[in-house]
Amino acid sequence: EVQLVESGGGLVQPGRSLRLSCAASGFRFDENAMHWVRLVPGKGLEWVSGISWTGAILGYAVSVRGRFIISRDNAKNSLFLQMNSLRIEDTALYFCAKTNDLDYWGHGTQVTVSS
Amino acid sequence: DIQMTQSPSSLSASVGDRVTITCRTSQDITKWLAWYQLKPGKAPKALIYAASSLQSGVPSRFSGSGSGTDFTLTISSLQPDDFATYYCQQYDTFPLTFGGGTKVEIK
Repeated sequence: EVQLVESGGGLVQPGRSLRLSCAASGFRFDENAMHWVRLVPGKGLEWVSGISWTGAILGYAVSVRGRFIISRDNAKNSLFLQMNSLRIEDTALYFCAKTNDLDYWGHGTQVTVSS
Repeated sequence: DIQMTQSPSSLSASVGDRVTITCRTSQDITKWLAWYQLKPGKAPKALIYAASSLQSGVPSRFSGSGSGTDFTLTISSLQPDDFATYYCQQYDTFPLTFGGGTKVEIK
């Protein structure tokens, strides 16, 4: 059974950092692209970042480029999102999802940016 | 970026109704479109990939159609478990982009 479990969210002040993690199991993690997607209150779903199975190809939404860094550790079946210089508008429920057609998602981890 | 226009933004329907949600893209994406179901407190569920292929385990009352720029999600007979918010998403070109969502409510 495919499982994706996000962690690392929380309440943080503007300008601070958070690191999200996603633990994967039940599939060949090292053969799949992975993505972060967020659900913004009142706005809907927004793709944040993606990484190829090797980690060689990275992509970012314009809204987070230069502030967020996606990475993966295939030996530990884990996906990460380093979130720097957080803004109030980054407040959202953050999901990790598998492959470009996002066939499996985790339950999400809440990130709240507020002073 | 490819713009996604999803309609309606909400609808009210009864159990047993046929429901149709449409998604239009700003450029040709051939068949690279997916549909998802979101419920509060639950992991989003993938329903359809490649415009018309049913994800494993998804009930056959869900179907997808379309190609190019116009796509449709149909629920043939709405069930109580189907009241949720639905999103389309294109994966033809990065950045991946989503429609604005359709909230399906009980009439």
